[in-house]
Amino acid sequence: DGGITQSPKYLFRKEGQNVTLSCEQNLNHDAMYWYRQDPGQGLRLIYYSQIVNDFQKGDIAEGYSVSREKKESFPLTVTSAQKNPTAFYLCASSILSGSNQPQHFGDGTRLSIL
Amino acid sequence: EDKVVQSPLSLVVHEGDTVTLNCSYEVTNFRSLLWYKQEKKAPTFLFMLTSSGIEKKSGRLSSILDKKELFSILNITATQTGDSAVYLCAVEASSGSARQLTFGSGTQLTVLP
Repeated sequence: DGGITQSPKYLFRKEGQNVTLSCEQNLNHDAMYWYRQDPGQGLRLIYYSQIVNDFQKGDIAEGYSVSREKKESFPLTVTSAQKNPTAFYLCASSILSGSNQPQHFGDGTRLSIL
Repeated sequence: EDKVVQSPLSLVVHEGDTVTLNCSYEVTNFRSLLWYKQEKKAPTFLFMLTSSGIEKKSGRLSSILDKKELFSILNITATQTGDSAVYLCAVEASSGSARQLTFGSGTQLTVLP
């Protein structure tokens, strides 16, 4: 079945450590997105990419980095510069503008600090 | 700055009740408003609204958009315990070919048996 796969489901980070969250989609979508969700809050955009080898910062990009080497994959690295990384991270994908198709989401990764 | 406000923040009802969730927005270059249901994990898509006054229905759920007053409502009739979830409202703004969503903080709905 087509969909978005995020891994791992749970991740623990030590102080000063970088960690990478995986996001893979087989929907043939051009655009991919990373969101962060904190308890009791909505989703906030970290980074997005419309095309391979190109990506743009969202509202809260500081302390995060991404790459888009393949259309299917959009990994997110949470760097040691992100001082409050504990959150639920959601990856999404969509067709580009001009369509009435919504963004589809993966099942998320919960990141915690040890 | 684009802004989406949902109310109430939380709601507790009994099975069979009807609920109305509210979403107001301020956004430049409005393109569409979306409703998602989130149960612990991935938000699942419910509705996309682009035109004022046209109700969208799916079973016991329905939604309508008012582009003049800048709000939308999501109605759920004859609620069931399986409707318990966070309901997220998001607004999409036009920005070239990018499709950026601004989310509200969600309404936590709890349906008691």
